[in-house]
Amino acid sequence: GDSVTQMEGPVTLSEEAFLTINCTYTATGYPSLFWYVQYPGEGLQLLLKATKADDKGSNKGFEATYRKETTSFHLEKGSVQVSDSAVYFCALKNTGGFKTIFGAGTRLFVKA
Amino acid sequence: DADVTQTPRNRITKTGKRIMLECSQTKGHDRMYWYRQDPGLGLRLIYYSFDVKDINKGEISDGYSVSRQAQAKFSLSLESAIPNQTALYFCATSDQNHEQYFGPGTRLTVT
Repeated sequence: GDSVTQMEGPVTLSEEAFLTINCTYTATGYPSLFWYVQYPGEGLQLLLKATKADDKGSNKGFEATYRKETTSFHLEKGSVQVSDSAVYFCALKNTGGFKTIFGAGTRLFVKA
Repeated sequence: DADVTQTPRNRITKTGKRIMLECSQTKGHDRMYWYRQDPGLGLRLIYYSFDVKDINKGEISDGYSVSRQAQAKFSLSLESAIPNQTALYFCATSDQNHEQYFGPGTRLTVT
């Protein structure tokens, strides 16, 4: 069945460091891919998405490119801030499927 | 006002008690979901509903039931709570682009 695997956390970075959170997926067909972010005490919210191969999703300085050849959707940011501290979830939704599949989440801590 | 609201936000209950978690949305979406979140396990789907007359079990529905009272309301019940149902519970809706909109969560503790 469809699945999402993302790097285990926590990831601890200093402010202004470069961030990569790896995400790979297994799916039949051509799924849509998402990154959601969960700030402390809140529900998840959509950060960015991509719906087809080679699409790049971007928002708030974060980017991720849909790589079908490597079945990956890695999240990157060039310069993290303390306010980026949160849990990040990679997810996929397959065409015709009834649910969104979430990864286990990666917690990011950014130190001032 | 928030688009997806959940009540209560926190609840402590005893083993064997029946408890209901409520969810309301103002987004006008037909699709609604209940998830539980446990550390290291991500989100697991409990139930989902594509409209008022369509309710389906997710991957971990045992011990839970749901009711879709209206397009805007979707409640989750634990008929007889047990300690391993201690978790963070999220309600969500989705649009035609498959983007999900989450409520703030209910932290449930079963003692």
